[in-house]
Amino acid sequence: GAVVSQHPSWVICKSGTSVKIECRSLDFQATTMFWYRQFPKQSLMLMATSNEGSKATYEQGVEKDKFLINHASLTLSTLTVTSAHPEDSSFYICSARDLRGGGLQETQYFGPGTRLLVL
Amino acid sequence: GENVEQHPSTLSVQEGDSAVIKCTYSDSASNYFPWYKQELGKRPQLIIDIRSNVGEKKDQRIAVTLNKTAKHFSLHITETQPEDSAVYFCAASMRAAGNKLTFGGGTRVLVKP
Repeated sequence: GAVVSQHPSWVICKSGTSVKIECRSLDFQATTMFWYRQFPKQSLMLMATSNEGSKATYEQGVEKDKFLINHASLTLSTLTVTSAHPEDSSFYICSARDLRGGGLQETQYFGPGTRLLVL
Repeated sequence: GENVEQHPSTLSVQEGDSAVIKCTYSDSASNYFPWYKQELGKRPQLIIDIRSNVGEKKDQRIAVTLNKTAKHFSLHITETQPEDSAVYFCAASMRAAGNKLTFGGGTRVLVKP
């Protein structure tokens, strides 16, 4: 159980275009999902917390108008990189917490990531 | 906010030896400390975690220790194997902050056969 998928796995786009990345929890419902960005040979940096049915919470320094997050259902969150530029090229990973069965809910399961290259 | 520091940044060990990675955190309210293994181009995989009400946890060749007073926790891998080669990340979270994970900088482990 606790499988998280992402689509697409990689994308190449021209500068100025927008790119949408989907994050799905396949076998559980996730009221909260998290979006991270990881540059080569660096750690994961939290960008925002995606909350089902409400606005996302962005980390300091992350532009909410550039990285649009929509969490319309309990199994799907989307991240749209608007007007992408080469400096947005990175590995974008989502995660979700499996809340089934109650109890301790801290464990996060990660999606396989989306590699974005902006030319 | 929370700050997590991880050392060393790289670690090379001979197959069969032990590997130890150490992390410190800044916020005493943090109560959950997972460790993730990430292979090149892949997702982080949870390998072990520990909660603040426990001082030590072991799962086969992997163990984690937590010292709440000193605010540090460590990952111990015994009898290392070449397939243990990867980047390892520690992290910390607290319920008061919505269970957001703050990651350490990562440790690149190379197990030489």
